[in-house]
Order: sequence, then structure tokens, then C-alpha cells
Amino acid sequence: DTAVSQTPKYLVTQMGNDKSIKCEQNLGHDTMYWYKQDSKKFLKIMFSYNNKELIINETVPNRFSPKSPDKAHLNLHINSLELGDSAVYFCASSHVIRSTQDQETQYFGPGTRLLVL
Amino acid sequence: AQSVTQLGSHVSVSEGALVLLRCNYSSSVPPYLFWYVQYPNQGLQLLLKYTSAATLVKGINGFEAEFKKSETSFHLTKPSAHMSDAAEYFCAAQTAAGNKLTFGGGTRVLVKP
Repeated sequence: DTAVSQTPKYLVTQMGNDKSIKCEQNLGHDTMYWYKQDSKKFLKIMFSYNNKELIINETVPNRFSPKSPDKAHLNLHINSLELGDSAVYFCASSHVIRSTQDQETQYFGPGTRLLVL
Repeated sequence: AQSVTQLGSHVSVSEGALVLLRCNYSSSVPPYLFWYVQYPNQGLQLLLKYTSAATLVKGINGFEAEFKKSETSFHLTKPSAHMSDAAEYFCAAQTAAGNKLTFGGGTRVLVKP
């Protein structure tokens, strides 16, 4: 009954490789996000998708490419991995009630710990 | 741009003592405000959120936070710390529904027996 799930939980890879992280939510939410948490625990938004449409794209290298095949999934593909990409990547999801613009809560996945050697 | 500041990257409290974690936001328009907790090697769990309905917000695990517009603050408190409260705590702000969360730098809480 996991709400937001990510795979894999751990990922160890060599510099220059290409890897993907998958995220799925079963909450029926229409918006999904990717956040990066660095070694100092600082959290920053990377991307946000609403109904499969990209709505937030922070200053992220174009080696990072999000893909949303449907509302319940948001995957993150990383090309040519670099040492500085080592971090914990969190997926999150939320729902917006457009008619009232009601406050939404973002629910987070357990994180994917990426280590680039 | 929105920013969130958490005063003190580490807080050490004795078991049974008051826990006070400080959070200030910078926004001319009061944002939506959240406190999340992160236990070691786990994801973020929502503790509580400010909905503009009440300035004193109660959350899970005995935590509560008070929104003070005049001070642009949203400090988190718990009257009596428990060993299980040892974790990293993040304050976050969101300026509009559907928008990104801006996080503070986090405060690590250590609880001493």
C-alpha cells in the first residue's frame, strides 16, 4: 500500500554511465516532482510535472531528463554521470484542487541513494 | 525569490525537555508552510502544515507550530522530547498550490538520555 515508491533504493555506478530512477504514486495525484538532497542534507527542486506536462524545470544540467509516461509515473534519466551527481533523489507527488486552489501537501518517496564512483 | 531559514543546524536536548526548532520565511505574501521530518536513511514525512485557518497548528507525534505573520516565522515545538524524536527536521514554504517547495537547510535534533 506504498503511496510513493522509488526504484532502485540504492544505485552505485561508474562515472560516465547512464542510469534511470523510477517513481510511481498510487495516490491519484496529478503532480509529481523530483528533488535532490546533497551531502549536506540540502533539498532542492529539480523538476515538476502536472498531468504529464513539465511545469517546473530548475537550473539542472541537460544530462538530466525526466519522463512522465502517465500521471502516476515520473522517471528520471541521467546521462554521463558525474561525481557531483552523487546525492539522494526524492520523488514526491501532490494534488491541486483547481477550483479552490486548495493547499496541497507533497508526499515523498523513500529516496534513491546514488553514488557515482 | 522565496527563501526559508532554519536557525541552528544542530539542536541537542535532554529527554523530557522542550524542543524548539526555528524557521523563518521571506515572502511578502504568507506562503503555505510545512514541517517535515527525516529519520536516518528514510524519506520525508509530513509533521504538520499551515493552512491559514489557524495560527497554531498541531501535528503528529506531539509537535505543533505557530505561524506569526509579524515575525515571518513558523517555529516548531514539542513540550517533552523523546528519544525517538532524534532526526532531521525541515521547514518548507510553498508560494502557490502546485508550486515547488522551498526548503530550509534542516536542523538535526539529538536527544540525550
